[in-house]
Amino acid sequence: KAGVTQTPRYLIKTRGQQVTLSCSPISGHRSVSWYQQTPGQGLQFLFEYFSETQRNKGNFPGRFSGRQFSNSRSEMNVSTLELGDSALYLCASSSGLAGGGEQFFGPGTRLTVL
Amino acid sequence: SQQGEEDPQALSIQEGENATMNCSYKTSINNLQWYRQNSGRGLVHLILIRSNEREKHSGRLRVTLDTSKKSSSLLITASRAADTASYFCATDAVNDYKLSFGAGTTVTVRA
Repeated sequence: KAGVTQTPRYLIKTRGQQVTLSCSPISGHRSVSWYQQTPGQGLQFLFEYFSETQRNKGNFPGRFSGRQFSNSRSEMNVSTLELGDSALYLCASSSGLAGGGEQFFGPGTRLTVL
Repeated sequence: SQQGEEDPQALSIQEGENATMNCSYKTSINNLQWYRQNSGRGLVHLILIRSNEREKHSGRLRVTLDTSKKSSSLLITASRAADTASYFCATDAVNDYKLSFGAGTTVTVRA
């Protein structure tokens, strides 16, 4: 099976712009989660989608949004970029069972905001 | 905010030695998992231990879980240069649909 793919892998934007990141989960997985990783805050949960429904959302401002499509692919959007949004954004897919379990991570998108 | 702490923050060992790192968490959990990350790349799942389990093995990895102390440890035996990476513990709770990560332990294995 192909792994989780994320595009683009690297992105440079300026303050005030917006950005859209894409994630394709492992075939058959219906849950997609997004995480932000920074040196200062570590790995923080952004949101999780299952069958196009957001089931949980982390403590991030409304500038961060996401969605999931019927084929389970997911996108996240960050509007009005700030310098502090520079981070590695990781996407993970899983079966989405209520009992939790292993998540499979993509290689990440490294966003730099200038 | 993160679920818990990892100890130590960094560890440097000689090839062939064992590496032990600890993780503490704050709330009740369903599962605890350990992940490895090489040089700011994606996370690789290592092992999962359920809240009703006390110990689990996978190859050179041994994980323990003490729910009364809200802590876990990861032991890597006979370390290799390829084990050089950052290691993160992550917890999930029932119907929470997210992982809460610790701060991570950076392990350097010297040849």
